[in-house]
Amino acid sequence: QKEVEQDPGPLSVPEGAIVSLNCTYSNSAFQYFMWYRQYSRKGPELLMYTYSSGNKEDGRFTAQVDKSSKYISLFIRDSQPSDSATYLCAMSHTDKLIFGTGTRLQVFP
Amino acid sequence: GAVVSQHPSRVICKSGTSVKIECRSLDFQATTMFWYRQFPKQSLMLMATSNEGSKATYEQGVEKDKFLINHASLTLSTLTVTSAHPEDSSFYICSARDDRWAYNSPLHFGNGTRLTVT
Repeated sequence: QKEVEQDPGPLSVPEGAIVSLNCTYSNSAFQYFMWYRQYSRKGPELLMYTYSSGNKEDGRFTAQVDKSSKYISLFIRDSQPSDSATYLCAMSHTDKLIFGTGTRLQVFP
Repeated sequence: GAVVSQHPSRVICKSGTSVKIECRSLDFQATTMFWYRQFPKQSLMLMATSNEGSKATYEQGVEKDKFLINHASLTLSTLTVTSAHPEDSSFYICSARDDRWAYNSPLHFGNGTRLTVT
């Protein structure tokens, strides 16, 4: 079993839709949770960083962490074609990050 | 802020040659940098942790004699793929953590190097 599970997609939604991206994990020691966005042939770009359980909002993005269920989510409101990318969840309890496989998102006009 | 520059962005080399990839933190110091490898449609796999002034720490299954890492300063780490073979063709990405922030703060990534070995 992988430490971090993420549906690879692809996920295709119309412009303006609310997108829900999710990861599950098995290591209860994880305390720090991140979402990165990666465009094709580019390095990952940090979107959200949260510690422990709870919600965090930044513009159109909301990150949720449920440690009791070992489940994290990223919501994108009013999705735009420019949001089309691969979204990677990442988590850690040490200085190393463990990544999910990434979910490929396509937002069509 | 927090810019990581990686060079080259793309390299094609012949089998048996060596390739050096540079990773620089442009506006912060990074005692620790990380090197990842990414295959198409797959996640980032940590190869090694690069420590300024000391030996790198390699993940299980990564050949340290093949992937030489040097972290000579607080802003520069290099990865050299020695005697490259076609199976080494991949996307290599470096990342760094700002020394001013805690060990568990997010990593900042370079834009990756696409290595093709012919």
